[in-house]
Amino acid sequence: EAGVTQSPTHLIKTRGQQATLRCSPISGHTSVYWYQQALGLGLQFLLWYDEGEERNRGNFPPRFSGRQFPNYSSELNVNALELEDSALYLCASSPLGRNQPQHFGDGTRLSIL
Amino acid sequence: TQLLEQSPQFLSIQEGENLTVYCNSSSVFSSLQWYRQEPGEGPVLLVTVVTGGEVKKLKRLTFQFGDARKDSSLHITAAQPGDTGLYLCAGERVGSSNTGKLIFGQGTTLQVKP
Repeated sequence: EAGVTQSPTHLIKTRGQQATLRCSPISGHTSVYWYQQALGLGLQFLLWYDEGEERNRGNFPPRFSGRQFPNYSSELNVNALELEDSALYLCASSPLGRNQPQHFGDGTRLSIL
Repeated sequence: TQLLEQSPQFLSIQEGENLTVYCNSSSVFSSLQWYRQEPGEGPVLLVTVVTGGEVKKLKRLTFQFGDARKDSSLHITAAQPGDTGLYLCAGERVGSSNTGKLIFGQGTTLQVKP
């Protein structure tokens, strides 16, 4: 069974640019989650999508947005990039339902110059 | 204030030693997961515990969920260099609707020296 796949592996941008990160969930999983892992801050919840709808978002500004496609894959978009957006962005997937464990991809390393 | 407090943050031990990592909170969790993350990779799920008092074993790893579902521990017996990595506890709090949001501890960096 293929795991969660994310692309690109690395992304280098400059301040003010826009970044798009992609995620394909495990087959059969309808929920996709996005987390930010910044140095010294641990994993912080960004967004949750299920069945194409945004179900919940974390304490991040509106320039962090995303969407989920009919095949359950997802995109995370970050507009007006700032230096502090440099982090590892992790995508996870799970079946819908309480206490379903989330399985993570290997992330996209976003570096802002 | 961290909702899930992990201790210790760093641990460096010799191969063959035993160790315990703790994950504590004042909040009640519907479940707790333990992950291990290696450099350049995403967290890999080790176990999920959902019942207060539950104990799960995975080879040399023993996971326990507190009776009140506010804390958890990970015990490794006879640690090996391959156990080196960042160990993360994470859970979803009780008392809110299904949010999908996992709250993570700060992590415990374990180094096992040969």
